[in-house]
Amino acid sequence: EAQVTQNPRYLITVTGKKLTVTCSQNMNHEYMSWYRQDPGLGLRQIYYSMNVEVTDKGDVPEGYKVSRKEKRNFPLILESPSPNQTSLYFCASSPRQGGTGELFFGEGSRLTVL
Amino acid sequence: SQQGEEDPQALSIQEGENATMNCSYKTSINNLQWYRQNSGRGLVHLILIRSNEREKHSGRLRVTLDTSKKSSSLLITASRAADTASYFCATSRISGGSYIPTFGRGTSLIVHP
Repeated sequence: EAQVTQNPRYLITVTGKKLTVTCSQNMNHEYMSWYRQDPGLGLRQIYYSMNVEVTDKGDVPEGYKVSRKEKRNFPLILESPSPNQTSLYFCASSPRQGGTGELFFGEGSRLTVL
Repeated sequence: SQQGEEDPQALSIQEGENATMNCSYKTSINNLQWYRQNSGRGLVHLILIRSNEREKHSGRLRVTLDTSKKSSSLLITASRAADTASYFCATSRISGGSYIPTFGRGTSLIVHP
């Protein structure tokens, strides 16, 4: 089944404790992206990747890192999480390199930073 | 920066009625897409309309695009309680020579049985 898989789905952590949210897609998509969703703010893009080893900042990249060593994986790294990073995070992928095609979303990762 | 903005923010209707939500955007686009999100779940793609298209249909969905007004509308006909969800438009803005999809804040639709 074609899908985007995120882990963990739920996480409660404390300020400063490094964490990684994994994202994997099995559709051989070139484009991948991370979003965060907060009440009243909609989805805001954190980072995106056009292809392996090609990443770029979105609208809210501060406090996050990403890597794209393999086509299928695009992990989101929070080196030193802070409470303002408490949010619902979504990974998405698209078959079009420019992200102009349909986006396929994961089920989301709800992160709470205490 | 959010390229597309949906209107209204919230919409409450009775089953069987039509639901119309709008999306306005600021700069030239390659295409515009509509997505649906059930509470707390991942977004699901509904329909894509290209900049050279004016109208598109998919089942009970009808999307229009007016590039001169930089706006789009999503019409759901004969709504059902199962249509209750948030609806987002996504526009592809140009960044560094590539098109990057960006989302609005969404319209929350409640369909009462």
